[in-house]
Amino acid sequence: DQQVKQNSPSLSVQEGRISILNCDYTNSMFDYFLWYKKYPAEGPTFLISISSIKDKNEDGRFTVFLNKSAKHLSLHIVPSQPGDSAVYFCAATRGGSTLGRLYFGRGTQLTVWP
Amino acid sequence: DTAVSQTPKYLVTQMGNDKSIKCEQNLGHDTMYWYKQDSKKFLKIMFSYNNKELIINETVPNRFSPKSPDKAHLNLHINSLELGDSAVYFCASSPHGSGETQYFGPGTRLLVL
Repeated sequence: DQQVKQNSPSLSVQEGRISILNCDYTNSMFDYFLWYKKYPAEGPTFLISISSIKDKNEDGRFTVFLNKSAKHLSLHIVPSQPGDSAVYFCAATRGGSTLGRLYFGRGTQLTVWP
Repeated sequence: DTAVSQTPKYLVTQMGNDKSIKCEQNLGHDTMYWYKQDSKKFLKIMFSYNNKELIINETVPNRFSPKSPDKAHLNLHINSLELGDSAVYFCASSPHGSGETQYFGPGTRLLVL
């Protein structure tokens, strides 16, 4: 029962352009969403997050958008750089008794080419 | 300086053996986790500890036993290893536990032959 889905296993973008990574979730109780970036042979690195009380959060070249009614979030990277090439995981959690359980999507491999 | 560290990074062993993976965090966090990333690349939580107390215990075979000697350490012991245990195991930590960012270690790549 996968509660967080990333339906695109890969995305290829030219350097300087916008990368848009998508994520859908099924559990309306989720109230905190995160994006992690992962290079080969390393652990996931936290990138950006958004609380369910917001619909947008921006940090430099990275912006996360949340559409609660559609249960959809997206990560925008502008402009994309070759160093952004990595696997991006979407994750979701809820407060209260779950005490930190993160539900992950399967990841999207982003390739940024020169 | 590493915030969340794991040892060993690679572990190759025979079926039936018992092995341990160690995790340490120097972030002063109260909560630590173990995740498993299987061959299909899904990252799934196995356990979480808050101040040395077991909080989350997913449907994991009881051959897997976490141990938290103090809140900076969470070790994972696996008995009678099976082929299906081959995966990457990630340790993570967070300040308090609920609804916040978790920070991951580099992973331990376990291969059971």
